[in-house]
Amino acid sequence: EVQLVESGGGLVQPGGSLRLSCAASGFTFTDHFMDWVRQGPGKGLEWVGRARNRANSYSTEYATSVKGRFTISRDDSENSLYLQMNSLKSEDTAVYYCARGTGWDAFDLWGQGTMVTVSS
Amino acid sequence: DIQLTQSPSSLSASVGDRVSITCRAGQTISSYLSWYQQKPGKAPKLLIYAASSLQSGVPSRFSGSGSGTDFTLTISSLQPEDSATYYCHQSYSTIFTFGGGTKVEIK
Repeated sequence: EVQLVESGGGLVQPGGSLRLSCAASGFTFTDHFMDWVRQGPGKGLEWVGRARNRANSYSTEYATSVKGRFTISRDDSENSLYLQMNSLKSEDTAVYYCARGTGWDAFDLWGQGTMVTVSS
Repeated sequence: DIQLTQSPSSLSASVGDRVSITCRAGQTISSYLSWYQQKPGKAPKLLIYAASSLQSGVPSRFSGSGSGTDFTLTISSLQPEDSATYYCHQSYSTIFTFGGGTKVEIK
């Protein structure tokens, strides 16, 4: 089955760190750029960042709001995408989705999301 | 960052109505515009990519148009299952952005 499954969410204090994982299956992971998108409670979608594939040197891009605090990486041998989140703030509280990039850089496959709550 | 402005922010329409949602970009984004449908508690679903290309499996009552800065998502005949929030998304720049969303309700 073609799917993305996120894990690693939870409750963390402000200033803390958390690492999210996204396990991909059912498709050729190495062919695709992969992204993280988040959605705060009752809010709209916010793109977090992207990890390109090996053919594009595994380069990354980040939203202004997370640049310098979040790091995206991928392990093609494990078909997995990661989001390392440091210096977390209350405004980072959200459901975090991983998404598969496709032609024209649309997102044609999404995970079910994992909730991150930043609170003392 | 390229700003995307969706309008209206919400709408209510009857089954069978033709519904249109607009998305305006702060600068030209060519045709790098996609549309997503999201139902409560669920992940978004891709409807339209490249401004007007219908994603496989999406009903043909959904269509997209536009290029440059002005884009439209149209539902030709609204169905009860179309009750959802719709988002536009630009992938023209290396920093992607989403519109604020349009909530569609069925009367």
